[in-house]
Amino acid sequence: DVVMTQSPLSLAVTLGQPASISCKSSQTLEYSDGNVYLNWIQQRPGQSPRRLIYEVSIRDSGVPDRFSGTGSATDFTLKISRVEAEDVGIYYCMQGTHWPPITFGQGTRLEIK
Amino acid sequence: EVKLVESGGGLVQPGGSLRISCVASGFALSEYWAFWVRQAPGKAPVWVSRINIDGSSADYADSVKGRFTASRDNAKRTVYLQMNSLRAEDTAVYYCAIPPFDIWGRGTMVTVSS
Repeated sequence: DVVMTQSPLSLAVTLGQPASISCKSSQTLEYSDGNVYLNWIQQRPGQSPRRLIYEVSIRDSGVPDRFSGTGSATDFTLKISRVEAEDVGIYYCMQGTHWPPITFGQGTRLEIK
Repeated sequence: EVKLVESGGGLVQPGGSLRISCVASGFALSEYWAFWVRQAPGKAPVWVSRINIDGSSADYADSVKGRFTASRDNAKRTVYLQMNSLRAEDTAVYYCAIPPFDIWGRGTMVTVSS
């Protein structure tokens, strides 16, 4: 199974400041079709998971452009350019290249300082 | 509106059984594989099962293999997860999700405890 390792596991950020989360996979996530099936998932307190970004860098509809994803092969990053109060929650990277199983990172808890 | 709604969770004793359901609306469930993912309290989500479009094939995590069975009824726009021989470690919120994982349900809580 592909192991997804996130860092840091928690992050306290002042409103309006940037945040960055790293995700590393134990194998390259490039699929045979050339795509990289790496998603970023947001889970606000008490809510279901919600996909923010897919295929490394494509934002889902309705996701603010302060969220951006970068990376390739085994190293990926989610950046929030200016953290807002509604961004509080847990962020997971999730790979859908080598499945079953799909696998998730341990999660990064984002809070406001 | 595109939606998945899970139901059927509850409190069950160790060794017991439960069947949970996931009903889709706003899109054609019959055109997609369906996944079950569970999340124990305070933990990351973990994949449980996937079932193909017509229900003829399913895969399971090792932790549930032989105890859980996924099925679907496309006419009812519903996928199911039959859970037998439940253990305390099966306690979690169970979500259904549709690849490419832009559609998730609200989840149903399963608690296994005496």
